[in-house]
Amino acid sequence: QQQVKQSPQSLIVQKGGISIINCAYENTAFDYFPWYQQFPGKGPALLIAIRPDVSEKKEGRFTISFNKSAKQFSLHIMDSQPGDSATYFCAASMQTGANNLFFGTGTRLTVIP
Amino acid sequence: DAGITQSPRHKVTETGTPVTLRCHQTENHRYMYWYRQDPGHGLRLIHYSYGVKDTDKGEVSDGYSVSRSKTEDFLLTLESATSSQTSVYFCAISEAPQGPRTEAFFGQGTRLTVV
Repeated sequence: QQQVKQSPQSLIVQKGGISIINCAYENTAFDYFPWYQQFPGKGPALLIAIRPDVSEKKEGRFTISFNKSAKQFSLHIMDSQPGDSATYFCAASMQTGANNLFFGTGTRLTVIP
Repeated sequence: DAGITQSPRHKVTETGTPVTLRCHQTENHRYMYWYRQDPGHGLRLIHYSYGVKDTDKGEVSDGYSVSRSKTEDFLLTLESATSSQTSVYFCAISEAPQGPRTEAFFGQGTRLTVV
């Protein structure tokens, strides 16, 4: 059972456009929501993360929007660039054990020049 | 890649054979993790370690065992490989339980094919 549901599976955006990836969860014990970026042949790398006590976090062109009541969070990439083309994973964890991360299924983003 | 080396990077093995994947770190981080990445599933935790000789199961541990005899090395063993274990395996490390104040760093992965 997938603890974190992610959509869409793939996304094609024009350069300069906005890329939006959505995730949803059920377990209200989750208290940390990171996004990872993965380029082909590489391991995932932390991009940006949010705690549920805030509704939005922005770092440069990347913004996480968090809706605690709806148990949803999303990644917005403003002014998308070809270099942003990668696979993006949302994840969630709770403070237990090693705070194990539960990942979404991933979104392959392609930004067309 | 934060001082993480996975070996081998690619391996093809036959069904029923034992396979060991190695993760070596130079960061002296306490926590080490093994994930597998499969289309339609994202990454799923297999096992993790919170110190030398201290390990615990993750989400998909059946068919896998791990060992950590030194801080820097975390081994993942498939006792008898099956085709369902064909996957890309990632090792990750973190100083403390991964979370808001502690980032987990991932290796470059090992692509394992079981034929």
